[in-house]
Amino acid sequence: GAGVSQSPRYKVAKRGQDVALRCDPISGHVSLFWYQQALGQGPEFLTYFQNEAQLDKSGLPSDRFFAERPEGSVSTLKIQRTQQEDSAVYLCASSLMGPYSNQPQHFGDGTRLSIL
Amino acid sequence: QKEVEQDPGPLSVPEGAIVSLNCTYSNSAFQYFMWYRQYSRKGPELLMYTYSSGNKEDGRFTAQVDKSSKYISLFIRDSQPSDSATYLCAMTEWGETSGSRLTFGEGTQLTVNP
Repeated sequence: GAGVSQSPRYKVAKRGQDVALRCDPISGHVSLFWYQQALGQGPEFLTYFQNEAQLDKSGLPSDRFFAERPEGSVSTLKIQRTQQEDSAVYLCASSLMGPYSNQPQHFGDGTRLSIL
Repeated sequence: QKEVEQDPGPLSVPEGAIVSLNCTYSNSAFQYFMWYRQYSRKGPELLMYTYSSGNKEDGRFTAQVDKSSKYISLFIRDSQPSDSATYLCAMTEWGETSGSRLTFGEGTQLTVNP
């Protein structure tokens, strides 16, 4: 597709349920990032993939958060046993090259997650 | 203390005004600086990116970086109602395993009134 596509756009879940958020990056993009954006705040880094390898997961807030990109294209962010503090917009971004490149990151429109 | 500080506003200006948006940062390792625009319920859209200290101009937008003062600015000339959005500064330090992960400011909410 022309841009980064995320689904679903909106997700409502009850506390304790598991959720899965999908990201389709721009075709051919090597790098993929997940960010979490709380209301009224800037995005905060969660994790980074270079192709299928997860090179940095230092931003994941707890072991309830898990991300994968098994074939180096589509990525899924999974949150287990959701808590109210997980309510946020989850943004995915991709860029053409790996580290040490100056390729900009292109963002999707995010998944707005609400935990009741 | 946050690595990147940005006044959240809100900022309200009349159409045609010059807008100045600013961020300060504390991490000397940041090497690449960006400004993103984010409309309500949309993802951030890249406006400007720059590496070196100095000015970079693109149409009505000018990005300014002062690495010695750890201060970056975005100027918008002849502001339009369509410029009404949240403006996010972002920066990155290179790392083999961190890729080009971005550190964002809080965002400044701008309204341009017709």
